[in-house]
Amino acid sequence: EVQLVESGGGLAQPGGSLRLSCAASGFTFKNYAMSWVRQAPGKGLEWVSTVSTNGGTTYYADSVKGRFTISRDNSKNTLYLQMDSLGADDTAVYHCAKRSETSIWPKIWFDPWGQGTLVTVSS
Amino acid sequence: IQVTQSPSSVSASIGDRVTITCRASQGISSWLAWYQQKPGKAPKVLIYAASSLQSGVPSRFSGSGSGTDFTLTISSLQPEDFATYYCQQANSFPPTFGQGTRLEI
Repeated sequence: EVQLVESGGGLAQPGGSLRLSCAASGFTFKNYAMSWVRQAPGKGLEWVSTVSTNGGTTYYADSVKGRFTISRDNSKNTLYLQMDSLGADDTAVYHCAKRSETSIWPKIWFDPWGQGTLVTVSS
Repeated sequence: IQVTQSPSSVSASIGDRVTITCRASQGISSWLAWYQQKPGKAPKVLIYAASSLQSGVPSRFSGSGSGTDFTLTISSLQPEDFATYYCQQANSFPPTFGQGTRLEI
């Protein structure tokens, strides 16, 4: 069974940093692009970032470009999101998500998703 | 590519047929997925490539469309279908989601 378990969320000060992790199991991690998608409280889904299988290609939403860095460690089956210069608008549940088996890079949809980790940015 | 979903909410009853629409700001061929999200849970894929049913999803769910206009149809609502639904275009980065449709009793 594919499992994605996020960690690292919590309370951060405005201007502060957090590093999220996503531990993957149940599939060959190195073969799949991975992504982060967030959902602010009571709001819709917002794609944040995607990394290719070997980490060599990354994509970012304009809202986080220059502040967030996505990376992966295929030897540890782990996806990361380094978040710097955090602002109140970054408050959200952050989900990691695997490229669906039924999609073809780079035209991807997401399946499955982890349950998410809550990031709250507040003083 | 912007994706506009409508309606934002809909009220329906058990057994009703419900249709949700998604319009892309430019042609995306069939590169569209539909998700269902229940409160406190992660989204799940229902339909991919506009009209293909994800494994394990009941056949009362169907998708159609190509180019810019897409629909998700639930043929006969069941109690477990009351949730929020999102479309997502996959034609090009950044992947973009519709605003969501809340399906209420």
